[in-house]
Amino acid sequence: GAGVSQSPRYKVAKRGQDVALRCDPISGHVSLFWYQQALGQGPEFLTYFQNEAQLDKSGLPSDRFFAERPEGSVSTLKIQRTQQEDSAVYLCASSSGLGAYEQYFGPGTRLTVT
Amino acid sequence: GESVGLHLPTLSVQEGDNSIINCAYSNSASDYFIWYKQESGKGPQFIIDIRSNMDKRQGQRVTVLLNKTVKHLSLQIAATQPGDSAVYFCAENMEGGKLIFGQGTELSVKP
Repeated sequence: GAGVSQSPRYKVAKRGQDVALRCDPISGHVSLFWYQQALGQGPEFLTYFQNEAQLDKSGLPSDRFFAERPEGSVSTLKIQRTQQEDSAVYLCASSSGLGAYEQYFGPGTRLTVT
Repeated sequence: GESVGLHLPTLSVQEGDNSIINCAYSNSASDYFIWYKQESGKGPQFIIDIRSNMDKRQGQRVTVLLNKTVKHLSLQIAATQPGDSAVYFCAENMEGGKLIFGQGTELSVKP
């Protein structure tokens, strides 16, 4: 079966532009997570959804970051007025349950802000 | 604050040798831990997990050990192969399922 997919795989944005990153989780997975991974670092939690409800957004770095999952499946992470420090790989993961369940990661979107 | 960290940033081993990657965690209330493997340009891939009611769990060529007394995890890879070369992360599962990752250890396998 298909795993988690993300698009685009690579995105170059000029500083100040808005970007939208898409995540298609594994079909039927209840939970969806977004992480940010800087070069040479481990992924850092941004936000997560249980179905369409965003239950925790404590990791979003600023109010320029916004995530949604309106129908409880596909999710979009939007970054407004991108800054150079936003350059990173953005990873999406999904899991079949709530809490301590295995998370399946997508390949990530590498965002470069110039 | 809470953190999960690794003792060694890089590890180089000979093909066929066993590898041991270590990790310390700080939240004594954590009850679920996971090891991930990440190859260049890919997302983290699940290797093995362990819950706090266990101190050892084995998979295919991999073993995870959990020492709750000293809040330490280790990943052992038997008969390391070139395909095992990657960055390995331990992660601590927090409330709601969000993961707190360590910095990672880069494993390099020499043929």
